[in-house]
Amino acid sequence: GEEVAQTPKHLVRGEGQKAKLYCAPIKGHSYVFWYQQVLKNEFKFLISFQNENVFDETGMPKERFSAKCLPNSPCSLEIQATKLEDSAVYFCASSQGTSVSTDTQYFGPGTRLTVL
Amino acid sequence: GENVEQHPSTLSVQEGDSAVIKCTYSDSASNYFPWYKQELGKGPQLIIDIRSNVGEKKDQRIAVTLNKTAKHFSLHITETQPEDSAVYFCAVLNDYKLSFGAGTTVTVRA
Repeated sequence: GEEVAQTPKHLVRGEGQKAKLYCAPIKGHSYVFWYQQVLKNEFKFLISFQNENVFDETGMPKERFSAKCLPNSPCSLEIQATKLEDSAVYFCASSQGTSVSTDTQYFGPGTRLTVL
Repeated sequence: GENVEQHPSTLSVQEGDSAVIKCTYSDSASNYFPWYKQELGKGPQLIIDIRSNVGEKKDQRIAVTLNKTAKHFSLHITETQPEDSAVYFCAVLNDYKLSFGAGTTVTVRA
């Protein structure tokens, strides 16, 4: 598609439950990025993919967070055993590439995760 | 990693006036600087960007200036309109990932 699509728009989980978020990048874009936005507008990079391969996972909390981008499927971000501090808006972005003129990142509408 | 500072945190302007938001960054190797506008409940929308080989770029009422020596860049919005009210974020691309400023809440008063 022409826009980054994210589902669901809202997700509510009890503490300790699993949460799974989905992202479909813009058609033709090879790179997918996940960012977390917490209450004070702070953005935190989580992970990026080049097609189905992890490109950079330096921002991922290792214990409970995992992500995948499989061929012909939306990318996913999964949080096992959610904690209160995981409450945030999770944004997916995609870019055509990483070279000059292809590295512009376009964002989806986000998934608001609320952990109770 | 990259450290991006953005000022002011809030900005209230009269409709028709100009708005200026400034950002500084720490890594002199950074060379791509986008600005995003975020409306309530929506994702960041790219409004303008600039690369390090350019000092200024303009798109209608929006302009961005870059001073690589001083490591700062600014967003200028002229003739502000009510629909310009939103949160604006500067960002810096470093190691293929974006580092964001803390955001500026712009309110345009009618």
